[in-house]
Order: sequence, then structure tokens, then C-alpha cells
Amino acid sequence: GAGVSQTPSNKVTEKGKYVELRCDPISGHTALYWYRQSLGQGPEFLIYFQGTGAADDSGLPNDRFFAVRPEGSVSTLKIQRTERGDSAVYLCASSTSGGSPDEQFFGPGTRLTVL
Amino acid sequence: AQTVTQSQPEMSVQEAETVTLSCTYDTSESDYYLFWYKQPPSRQMILVIRQEAYKQQNATENRFSVNFQKAAKSFSLKISDSQLGDAAMYFCAYNQGGSEKLVFGKGMKLTVNP
Repeated sequence: GAGVSQTPSNKVTEKGKYVELRCDPISGHTALYWYRQSLGQGPEFLIYFQGTGAADDSGLPNDRFFAVRPEGSVSTLKIQRTERGDSAVYLCASSTSGGSPDEQFFGPGTRLTVL
Repeated sequence: AQTVTQSQPEMSVQEAETVTLSCTYDTSESDYYLFWYKQPPSRQMILVIRQEAYKQQNATENRFSVNFQKAAKSFSLKISDSQLGDAAMYFCAYNQGGSEKLVFGKGMKLTVNP
């Protein structure tokens, strides 16, 4: 079966531009997570979806970041007015139902570079 | 807030030897879970092993085992019979019971020498 997929694999953009990052979770997984991994750091939690709703968005750094999951499967992370500090690998994960101790299955990430 | 510390940024081991990766964490909670994840150059995080805090017995998965010292808040990973494919970044992670988020350490780069 297919794992978590993320597109694009790499994205280069200019400061101030808008970007969208896509995540396709494992089929049937109701829980979906976004993490951000800056260079030399571990992943940091951004947001968690249970079905279509954002159950915990406490990790979003500011209002330039927004994520949706309209049909409870694919999710899109949207970043407005990108800044150089947004450069990082954005990881998506999914799990069967959410909550500990469900295993989170990660995708390969999208490397975002803001010039 | 919970924190996870991996104090060794890099380690190396000879193929077939044993290596231990250290991790400490800080929490005031009693219900939590601990994980070790492996991240190869492909960037995809892969679960290696996990430990429930309420279990006294240390988790084991084939060549991977943990030394969980709850009072000391220590959670080290032992890799036996190291293989070239074990070379990767290793991250220790904490999950509080009832929460969905994982809190990761900064990671440690493991090199396996042939």
C-alpha cells in the first residue's frame, strides 16, 4: 500500500510570495499532522487534523500559516507572504485515529526555500 | 512544557558493534510515551521503537532495545550488531498521553563505518 506522499518535493520561492504544500495521507487514516523541521533541528508540531477539522493548531507560528483538509483526506498547508525564516522541510504524517500511542507515519517532506 | 534533549550531535560505530544513543526528557506528567525515530537522507521519519511510560519492561525490537530509566527521565537506544543501513539521523520523541503532538529532540547523526 502507498505511504504518505507530499508534493512538491522541493519548492523554491521568493520572499513575499504565497505557497501551498500538499499532503496525501495513507488511505483510511483519519488523523493528519503537519510538522516543520528547520536545519539542524528536530521536527516541530504545527497542526493536527481529526477528519476535516483542525483539532489542535497550537503550533502554527503566526497567521500567515493556514492548513485545510476539506474532505478528510488530502491536506494543504498554505503560507502567505513567505519570509526567509520559513525555509525548512515541512513534514506531514498520518495515523489511524489519532491520539497516543498511534504510530504516526511520515511522508518524505517538502523542502521549502525562500530566497 | 515538555522538552527532549539529545546531547550528542554525532556518533560513529563500527559495523557489527554496539552503540548507545542517549536521550533525556523533562515532564511532570505520569502518562506519556517515548519514541525513537530514524531519518535517513530520504527525509522520511521511520519509527524504530516506542516505550509506554507505565511499562517497567524495556521495549525491544530485534537489534534495537531501550534503557528506560523513568526516575532519571532517561531513554537511551541501544543498537546491536550495527549495520551500514543503520546510518541516519536518530530522533528521540515524547508524546503526552491524550495529546497528539510529538515533541522531538534535535537529533543525532549516526555513522556506521565498514
